[in-house]
Amino acid sequence: AQSVAQPEDQVNVAEGNPLTVKCTYSVSGNPYLFWYVQYPNRGLQFLLKYITGDNLVKGSYGFEAEFNKSQTSFHLKKPSALVSDSALYFCAVRDPSGGSYIPTFGRGTSLIVHP
Amino acid sequence: DTEVTQTPKHLVMGMTNKKSLKCEQHMGHRAMYWYKQKAKKPPELMFVYSYEKLSINESVPSRFSPECPNSSLLNLHLHALQPEDSALYLCASSQDYASAGGPADTQYFGPGTRLTVL
Repeated sequence: AQSVAQPEDQVNVAEGNPLTVKCTYSVSGNPYLFWYVQYPNRGLQFLLKYITGDNLVKGSYGFEAEFNKSQTSFHLKKPSALVSDSALYFCAVRDPSGGSYIPTFGRGTSLIVHP
Repeated sequence: DTEVTQTPKHLVMGMTNKKSLKCEQHMGHRAMYWYKQKAKKPPELMFVYSYEKLSINESVPSRFSPECPNSSLLNLHLHALQPEDSALYLCASSQDYASAGGPADTQYFGPGTRLTVL
């Protein structure tokens, strides 16, 4: 079975400071991991993904995420937050060895960047 | 172009109405999805079409009826809905569905249709 956890409902950060949105996963094999962002009243926008290779993945809008197999984590990071980064962030996981072809989404983390 | 379009943006309907949601993509994707999303919650999968055939139905009530007329279009027909069906309905597409990963796995979402059932 595949599962993903986003332990924080909300993350608050000041503009210009680094931000981290946490994600941990559980799969039986090697995971495929995704981050999506959702602005109010909009659909989900793909930010980045990890399939294989380099553990540090760079994505859209200056975001990056680090795959850590030993800690089963895939935290989303950005060196300097912008007010416009305020949105709902979803982590998703798929376990290709588990027979599921559909990703499981985390519950979402609301990121609030204060001016 | 990674755009998925959905119409209408907003829909208000009574419990006896029949309406349809539409979704379109021109990325050549062969998998299309319907999700339902309540406020500040993750999207919940409803249906998956792969190569225009229904592959997954997540035990969705029959008042929701999907249709895939061709590889670019996906419809969701609505009939006799309940107020608890009010939500944001998201369409998504991906290059493939039952694949080994890589670019085929990335789902691209439309902006959604905000549905209100009175």
